[in-house]
Amino acid sequence: DTGVSQDPRHKITKRGQNVTFRCDPISEHNRLYWYRQTLGQGPEFLTYFQNEAQLEKSRLLSDRFSAERPKGSFSTLEIQRTEQGDSAMYLCASSWTRGADTQYFGPGTRLTVL
Amino acid sequence: DAKTTQPNSMESNEEEPVHLPCNHSTISGTDYIHWYRQLPSQGPEYVIHGLTSNVNNRMASLAIAEDRKSSTLILHRATLRDAAVYYCILEYGNKLVFGAGTILRVKS
Repeated sequence: DTGVSQDPRHKITKRGQNVTFRCDPISEHNRLYWYRQTLGQGPEFLTYFQNEAQLEKSRLLSDRFSAERPKGSFSTLEIQRTEQGDSAMYLCASSWTRGADTQYFGPGTRLTVL
Repeated sequence: DAKTTQPNSMESNEEEPVHLPCNHSTISGTDYIHWYRQLPSQGPEYVIHGLTSNVNNRMASLAIAEDRKSSTLILHRATLRDAAVYYCILEYGNKLVFGAGTILRVKS
């Protein structure tokens, strides 16, 4: 399967712990996005990369959140000192900058903070 | 951010066409209209997109009003597998701004 993959699919952690998620985009895609989705809501944009450059960050992305995309391939999203309010589905998407920005989403990582 | 308005939910019978409406009165001239759908516990799935002209693909058709202030996603023959949340989205500055979407229920 050559779609977007995310790891892990589920993560349960205790408040105050750090967690890291990984996203592998579709191989020829140069853009990579992170979104967060809480129950009953649509996904909310967090940040995006074009190649290895992080071009935009939402104000939702507090200083406890950091994302990287070394070498413009896979990306990681780290949350430090997790809080119960961080419990959500974290979605990754990728796209190719050509015309409309059609994004292809991964299955998401479900984070539960106890 | 450019906004879209969709009904909260709709219901359809299996094998019948479904028309999912979306209003986007604040659309600008270069905004693409995207439709995605999301099944429970899955990531959103791309359905179709358009700019000015009506579009067809293997999944659906997209009808765009002449003034571009509204659009309609058409599923030609709904199946039980089409039951999902459907999002109408305007592409805004290299990101997709999702609303709450329309929950589509399909009855057998």
